Amino acid sequence: DIQMTQSPSSLSASVGDRVTITCRASQGIANYLAWYQQKPGQVPRLLIYAASTLQSGVPSRFSGSGSGTDFTLTISSLQPEDVGNYYCQKYNSAPYTFGQGTKLEIK
Amino acid sequence: QLQLQESGPGLVRPSETLSLTCTVSDGSISSRSYYWGWIRQPPGKGLEWIGSIYYSGSTYYNESLKSRVTMSVDTPKNQFSLRLNSVTAADTAVYYCARSLGGYCRGGRCSPGWFDPWGHGTLVTVSS
Repeated sequence: DIQMTQSPSSLSASVGDRVTITCRASQGIANYLAWYQQKPGQVPRLLIYAASTLQSGVPSRFSGSGSGTDFTLTISSLQPEDVGNYYCQKYNSAPYTFGQGTKLEIK
Repeated sequence: QLQLQESGPGLVRPSETLSLTCTVSDGSISSRSYYWGWIRQPPGKGLEWIGSIYYSGSTYYNESLKSRVTMSVDTPKNQFSLRLNSVTAADTAVYYCARSLGGYCRGGRCSPGWFDPWGHGTLVTVSS
């Protein structure tokens, strides 16, 4: 099975910072990658699909890029409400695995 | 706007069967464009895909759970269900149902993709 590895596992950044989270697949998955945000105590929310397509209603400070094995989620200017866990998910084929998550905190 | 709601017992005894139902509202489970999935999250941990089902009954299961999982669809009721047998404490988790779309397509047939929207989730505790 293809493994999905996120880095870092956690990070702390200041409001207004540019934040980048990486997701690496152990084999190529083209652009079949989604990103989710899970705020504390809340349900996961789809942010990005097809590696770089922003889901409707998601703030434009979020962006995704990558193809093949290496993907990034970028927050251009971190806001206090962005605190939470972020997960990538592959969907090129079963199993539809999630990354282990990245915990994002505010300094 | 499509909504999903999980229902079922919040407490299951070890070795017994966990049964959950997801009711879909403001949309049809019989749409040919979507799969329907279950995802779980143990307390304080990450997300684990359990399985996905098409309205026709076609399924994809996580191999690590496949021997214990059964998913089904009830199109007249607009519901789909999860059964997980022989549960242990390791199955304690918040269980989410979600719609799945956008997967790989070949020969006019598509597979599951990303998950959106999600139900609110239901905590199932395995304990005697």
